[in-house]
Amino acid sequence: AQSVTQLGSHVSVSEGALVLLRCNYSSSVPPYLFWYVQYPNQGLQLLLKYTSAATLVKGINGFEAEFKKSETSFHLTKPSAHMSDAAEYFCAVSDNHMGGAQKLVFGQGTRLTINP
Amino acid sequence: DAGVTQSPTHLIKTRGQQVTLRCSPKSGHDTVSWYQQALGQGPQFIFQYYEEEERQRGNFPDRFSGHQFPNYSSELNVNALLLGDSALYLCASSFEGYEQYFGPGTRLTVT
Repeated sequence: AQSVTQLGSHVSVSEGALVLLRCNYSSSVPPYLFWYVQYPNQGLQLLLKYTSAATLVKGINGFEAEFKKSETSFHLTKPSAHMSDAAEYFCAVSDNHMGGAQKLVFGQGTRLTINP
Repeated sequence: DAGVTQSPTHLIKTRGQQVTLRCSPKSGHDTVSWYQQALGQGPQFIFQYYEEEERQRGNFPDRFSGHQFPNYSSELNVNALLLGDSALYLCASSFEGYEQYFGPGTRLTVT
């Protein structure tokens, strides 16, 4: 069974500082990996995805993530935090195959707070 | 191009009642998945519909059922509501089950 562990339920950084949100996954098959962002009282917005191409994935809003198979990790980073980055972030994993049922398995989420 | 839409936005029900939530997928998408997000938790997969059939199901009781219509829209039905069913219900659509786009969700409160 697939699973995702997000280390740190709450991360706080200063505006302009590096953002690092940690995600480790467990999967018996090569995974697809995703980061989603959720703003208060809204649905989920896809930030970026890994689908077995380049291991360094660039997403929207200046975020990127690196797939490290040896560490089973897919950490999310942004060089310089902005106040608008304050939100809940979810890492998710799904099976790596097209055309089939690909349920997403989510982590518990990390709430990112940006200090002025 | 409209994204995924869900209705209603908010809903308050009493224990034991039944509820129906609705989802219209993004244009061109043929697959609809439903997720339950309890307060402070990550979303949990309920089930997925493709070609009007339930293709995969998560660990939810039979009180949770669904339907997909020929226009790919979908309904989630929950019978015999429990207090623990209070959550944000998210619908996601995709083409061939690949990249999923989420709607804004329906907030269900059971009293």
